[in-house]
Amino acid sequence: EDKVVQSPLSLVVHEGDTVTLNCSYEVTNFRSLLWYKQEKKAPTFLFMLTSSGIEKKSGRLSSILDKKELFSILNITATQTGDSAVYLCAVRGRKLIWGLGTSLAVNP
Amino acid sequence: DTAVSQTPKYLVTQMGNDKSIKCEQNLGHDTMYWYKQDSKKFLKIMFSYNNKELIINETVPNRFSPKSPDKAHLNLHINSLELGDSAVYFCASTLLSGGADTQYFGPGTRLTVL
Repeated sequence: EDKVVQSPLSLVVHEGDTVTLNCSYEVTNFRSLLWYKQEKKAPTFLFMLTSSGIEKKSGRLSSILDKKELFSILNITATQTGDSAVYLCAVRGRKLIWGLGTSLAVNP
Repeated sequence: DTAVSQTPKYLVTQMGNDKSIKCEQNLGHDTMYWYKQDSKKFLKIMFSYNNKELIINETVPNRFSPKSPDKAHLNLHINSLELGDSAVYFCASTLLSGGADTQYFGPGTRLTVL
């Protein structure tokens, strides 16, 4: 059965810390992996990854995919309180499968 | 504004009632989705329509009935509401024919069943 597992489930850090969020998957006919950020509203798109080893970067956020080991990481450097959110990973294979998310709290 | 919009944003109703949630997108997308997000924040896909045709129908009680009058609209009707239906319902859209996987989400409808 296809599945997407995110870890950790929750994380509390201090402003300025660097965090790494993980998303591992077992999906038939992998097509893409997507990262979303969800605050107190709808998820907003961060990255789409389709190829191994190519880092996607947006400001302090970056992500990379390893299709051999079947996982992706999302890095956030110099965290700010505004980064507090649930980070969702979704993988498209035959279907779009969502992970449970990692809840990140950044304390001042 | 180009966006995915949902109405209403909040819906409070009694058990047993029938209610509808509407979704519209003006992004020119061909595929629309309904998701349910419960109190544990797990995003669960319910339905997906591509060009007005149902392409995904997950295990959802048949009290839930989607209806897509055209590519830009996907409405969700819920009959005989139950306490367990309380959740946030998100509509999303994507351009599947363009090979895109990125989904654009509406603001959500918070449904509370009393």
